[in-house]
Amino acid sequence: QKEVEQNSGPLSVPEGAIASLNCTYSDRGSQSFFWYRQYSGKSPELIMSIYSNGDKEDGRFTAQLNKASQYVSLLIRDSQPSDSATYLCAVRYNFNKFYFGSGTKLNVKP
Amino acid sequence: DVKVTQSSRYLVKRTGEKVFLECVQDMDHENMFWYRQDPGLGLRLIYFSYDVKMKEKGDIPEGYSVSREKKERFSLILESASTNQTSMYLCASGPSWEAGTYEQYFGPGTRLTVT
Repeated sequence: QKEVEQNSGPLSVPEGAIASLNCTYSDRGSQSFFWYRQYSGKSPELIMSIYSNGDKEDGRFTAQLNKASQYVSLLIRDSQPSDSATYLCAVRYNFNKFYFGSGTKLNVKP
Repeated sequence: DVKVTQSSRYLVKRTGEKVFLECVQDMDHENMFWYRQDPGLGLRLIYFSYDVKMKEKGDIPEGYSVSREKKERFSLILESASTNQTSMYLCASGPSWEAGTYEQYFGPGTRLTVT
């Protein structure tokens, strides 16, 4: 079993601040990385994917990947109350194996 | 937008019943997946299919089977439901990996309770 570790939180940030969510994975063979947002009672929604080292930006979201240190992070700038949700990190290992972390709960306080 | 639909949002079944969960996607995706999600355990892959009539076991296939007779439809079958199969079941679809992308798009989920 490949492990994907996330701090369960909750992570509380004030509105307008930067939220930083982190994820570590156990296998150096991991090849693709994903962040999903999941509102309570809803299904996961894809936010970003990242495949190579470095940063990838999409609007207020930035994904950061460091394969040498085996971590991937998600930064949310100008956090809004509507960003309050659980954020799932997912890792693709080998051809067809996908592993998800248990998620970090984010609370953005108005 | 990708649309993945699941046949039921909530389902209650009795121990020993045969249960069918249906999933349909409208994006002509080659890949389809079934996961279950349990508190503290995250999402765990049960089965996935990369083409019609093709399937591969995920991490927890025991007690489950799948069927994919048409590209857009992927069914999960609980052969004889047990209480430890009470869970949220999530279907996902994604494009062919030949394009070098591996995103998955989830349906709304089916919360199954086995009594």
